[in-house]
Amino acid sequence: DVKVTQSSRYLVKRTGEKVFLECVQDMDHENMFWYRQDPGLGLRLIYFSYDVKMKEKGDIPEGYSVSREKKERFSLILESASTNQTSMYLCASGYRESNQPQHFGDGTRLSIL
Amino acid sequence: SQQGEEDPQALSIQEGENATMNCSYKTSINNLQWYRQNSGRGLVHLILIRSNEREKHSGRLRITLDTSKKSSSLLITASRAADTASYFCATDAGGSNYKLTFGKGTLLTVNP
Repeated sequence: DVKVTQSSRYLVKRTGEKVFLECVQDMDHENMFWYRQDPGLGLRLIYFSYDVKMKEKGDIPEGYSVSREKKERFSLILESASTNQTSMYLCASGYRESNQPQHFGDGTRLSIL
Repeated sequence: SQQGEEDPQALSIQEGENATMNCSYKTSINNLQWYRQNSGRGLVHLILIRSNEREKHSGRLRITLDTSKKSSSLLITASRAADTASYFCATDAGGSNYKLTFGKGTLLTVNP
C-alpha cells in the first residue's frame, strides 16, 4: 500500500514563527502536492512539485514556500506564520500520468496563536 | 480556482438507502475522480472516469459523466453507516505534470 506520512497530526505555533511541515512518500511518485483545507472552501492547492528541486505555484501560494531536495520528501514552509494560516494541511503524491490517483497523508492540523 | 462544485452540500439518509451526489465543473476535463474523506483523515481515492467514458462501476459505487452538461454523479447503493464521510470530485485538464482541482465536497451521513 502507498504510504504518505506527514510529520505531525497536530501542531501549535505562534505568530511570526517559521513553521516546517514535512511529508514523505514511499512509492517513488514524481508528483507531490500541498493543499490546505478550510470549512466551506474545500481543498485549495498551495504548491506542487513534479521533480526534485522543481516546484510550481498553486492557487494560494502567498505566505508559503516549499522545498524538494529528495524525491520522497516535500516540505511546506510558512515563512512567518500568521493566524489566517490556521488550517488543515494535506500532502499528496502521485505518478506523473494524469489517469492516476493522488494519495493523501492524514493531514496536519495547524493552529497559529 | 474551484473547478468542481458538489451538490448537495450535505445529505442525510438511512442505512440501506441509496445516496446520490452530483458534481458540476466549468472547463474541459481529461479525467474526473471521486475521493472520500473520513472525519479528521486524508482523502482516499474511490474511482476515476475518463472524459470519453460515460459510466463506471466499482462495487457499490456507480459514477456517470456527462461532458455535454459538464457534470458527474456518484451513486452509492445500499448505504451503510460506515459510508458516512465527505465526498469530493476532482478534475484534471490533462497534460504533463497534471494537477487536480477539487470541489467543496458533500457531507454524507448514513444513519443506522
